[in-house]
Amino acid sequence: DTGVSQDPRHKITKRGQNVTFRCDPISEHNRLYWYRQTLGQGPEFLTYFQNEAQLEKSRLLSDRFSAERPKGSFSTLEIQRTEQGDSAMYLCASSSTGSRETQYFGPGTRLLVL
Amino acid sequence: DAKTTQPTSMDCAEGRAANLPCNHSTISGNEYVYWYRQIHSQGPQYIIHGLKNNETNEMASLIITEDRKSSTLILPHATLRDTAVYYCIVRVSPYTGNQFYFGTGTSLTVIP
Repeated sequence: DTGVSQDPRHKITKRGQNVTFRCDPISEHNRLYWYRQTLGQGPEFLTYFQNEAQLEKSRLLSDRFSAERPKGSFSTLEIQRTEQGDSAMYLCASSSTGSRETQYFGPGTRLLVL
Repeated sequence: DAKTTQPTSMDCAEGRAANLPCNHSTISGNEYVYWYRQIHSQGPQYIIHGLKNNETNEMASLIITEDRKSSTLILPHATLRDTAVYYCIVRVSPYTGNQFYFGTGTSLTVIP
C-alpha cells in the first residue's frame, strides 16, 4: 500500500496525559498536512510542512500541540496535557508541490479523551 | 471559513445520476475547485478537480459554470457505496496558504 498511513488508528487516554500520533506520507510527496475533525464537521486545518519546515499553523493549534517532520518524511503530532475537547479525528494528508495541490488523506487517528 | 455553499443533504436512487451542486461565488481566477468525499469514519477521498473546463475521470464528472461561480459534481450511476459526505473545496482570495477549507459538505444517501 503506497497511500498515507497513520498510527495508531484509535487512542483512548485520560485527561492530562500526553499523546503522540504518527503520519507516514506518500513517499514522493514533500508537503504534509494535519487536520482535525470533530463530529458532524468537516476537517479543519491545523498545520502544514514543506519538507521539514513547518510553514503554517492554524489558530486551532494551541501551545499544547506540537508537530514535527524532522527528516522531511514522516511527521508526528503531539498533544500535551490532553483535554476532553481534544477528542476528535486527527487526519494527515500529503501532496507534492504544484499548482493543483491534490491532497491525499490517511485513514485518521481517532482520539478519545476521558 | 469555508467559501463554498452546499446543500446539507441529498438522496439519490441507486443506478441514477447523482448531481451535487456547489456555489463558490468568490472564487478567484487561478483557483481550482476540488471535490472530496468521506465515507463514515474514513479519511477524505479525492474525487476530481478542475479550473475552468469540465472534467471527467473514472469516478465522476465536474461541470463548472462559465462564470466559475458554481459547479456540479456528477456521479453517473450512483451505487450504495457512494453514500458519503461530499465536500466542495476552493482556495479563496486572499491567498492564505495551502490548506483546504472543507465546510460541512453534502451528505448523500443512495437509496436502493
